[in-house]
Amino acid sequence: GESVGLHLPTLSVQEGDNSIINCAYSNSASDYFIWYKQESGKGPQFIIDIRSNMDKRQGQRVTVLLNKTVKHLSLQIAATQPGDSAVYFCAENMGSGGSYIPTFGRGTSLIVHP
Amino acid sequence: IAGITQAPTSQILAAGRRMTLRCTQDMRHNAMYWYRQDLGLGLRLIHYSNTAGTTGKGEVPDGYSVSRANTDDFPLTLASAVPSQTSVYFCASSEEEDQPQHFGDGTRLSIL
Repeated sequence: GESVGLHLPTLSVQEGDNSIINCAYSNSASDYFIWYKQESGKGPQFIIDIRSNMDKRQGQRVTVLLNKTVKHLSLQIAATQPGDSAVYFCAENMGSGGSYIPTFGRGTSLIVHP
Repeated sequence: IAGITQAPTSQILAAGRRMTLRCTQDMRHNAMYWYRQDLGLGLRLIHYSNTAGTTGKGEVPDGYSVSRANTDDFPLTLASAVPSQTSVYFCASSEEEDQPQHFGDGTRLSIL
């Protein structure tokens, strides 16, 4: 079946650097994408989302890029801080029988070194 | 503080026992979800509900059942627990099904 995947399971960066976390999706019917951050012992927390009619969306220190041609999604974090250390998940939503079914990737662990 | 409450936070259960994981939200969200999270597999959808009175099956529904009698509550029941159901279970809700989800802090369930 089609699924969301991640290129890098672990990403290590220095504090202050920019981080880029990538995600590949294979279902062309997906039209809504979300990035979540999960800290140890907690539930995932919404970071930013993007719909398929856009190719870029910016938040506070974060930017999501969507390339529908190659079915690729990325999360850019500017000036990465130790508090950004967590596991990051991308999720795609696709309509199925009138419902939106979310599918999560396996996650990328971001480690920020002070 | 508005949000999602899951109970219990952790549980050790003998195989064959029945268990209900509770989930309550006070944000009046229409959609609710149950996931299990296993190491290396990420979050997998078990069941979902787009609105009170309706439910649907996710990716891994076998061995689990849900009900949505009202907007706020979405309990997940394991009728006869098996060791493969050892996992961390997360409940989530969203205002509508195509909106970001808010997650609880999970229930850590061990089946022996």
